[in-house]
Amino acid sequence: DSGVTQTPKHLITATGQRVTLRCSPRSGDLSVYWYQQSLDQGLQFLIQYYNGEERAKGNILERFSAQQFPDLHSELNLSSLELGDSALYFCASSESGGEDTQYFGPGTRLTVL
Amino acid sequence: QKEVEQDPGPLSVPEGAIVSLNCTYSNSAFQYFMWYRQYSRKGPELLMYTYSSGNKEDGRFTAQVDKSSKYISLFIRDSQPSDSATYLCAMVPLMDSNYQLIWGAGTKLIIKP
Repeated sequence: DSGVTQTPKHLITATGQRVTLRCSPRSGDLSVYWYQQSLDQGLQFLIQYYNGEERAKGNILERFSAQQFPDLHSELNLSSLELGDSALYFCASSESGGEDTQYFGPGTRLTVL
Repeated sequence: QKEVEQDPGPLSVPEGAIVSLNCTYSNSAFQYFMWYRQYSRKGPELLMYTYSSGNKEDGRFTAQVDKSSKYISLFIRDSQPSDSATYLCAMVPLMDSNYQLIWGAGTKLIIKP
């Protein structure tokens, strides 16, 4: 158990809908990362937050947004969902957001029908 | 060309064999090198973390970095069926303050009993 929690574990929804994925980092970690992993794309970095502020952006679509709250938990919002958004979404956390180790949560499996 | 290249496999070997997993990269700025293990439908977990060139050993695992060839390896000795997983390499460039992990696609490893 990495200490990073993600909810829900599974999510099934329809195209055009909006969903919110939630992540709680390890105790003491200030940085949160979001990743998308689909079968044919590998692990894709989406976005990073550090202590409530956006620090880095990766391949995140405009339909997706995220935030990190004062208690350091984070939410990833996915809107206008398409079939191709079906994937595993991982949250990771690290202590400082630098080159230190990222600890991954168990992931949320999103299925868009 | 991707910054980090990794053969997706699958790589299938008999139990007890020595396994060699590899990644090549193109960016000479990479300084931190990591190997993560990911079991099916689980979050990646850090196995090995090395800085710059050289070898690092941890039990049955050895991580090797050859910066002159831009090549990193993970060796697994006395492989076990429980080692069956996808192994992802990740790297961090030493530049400014944006320590973003650059990921390989992952190699699926199957250890046959």
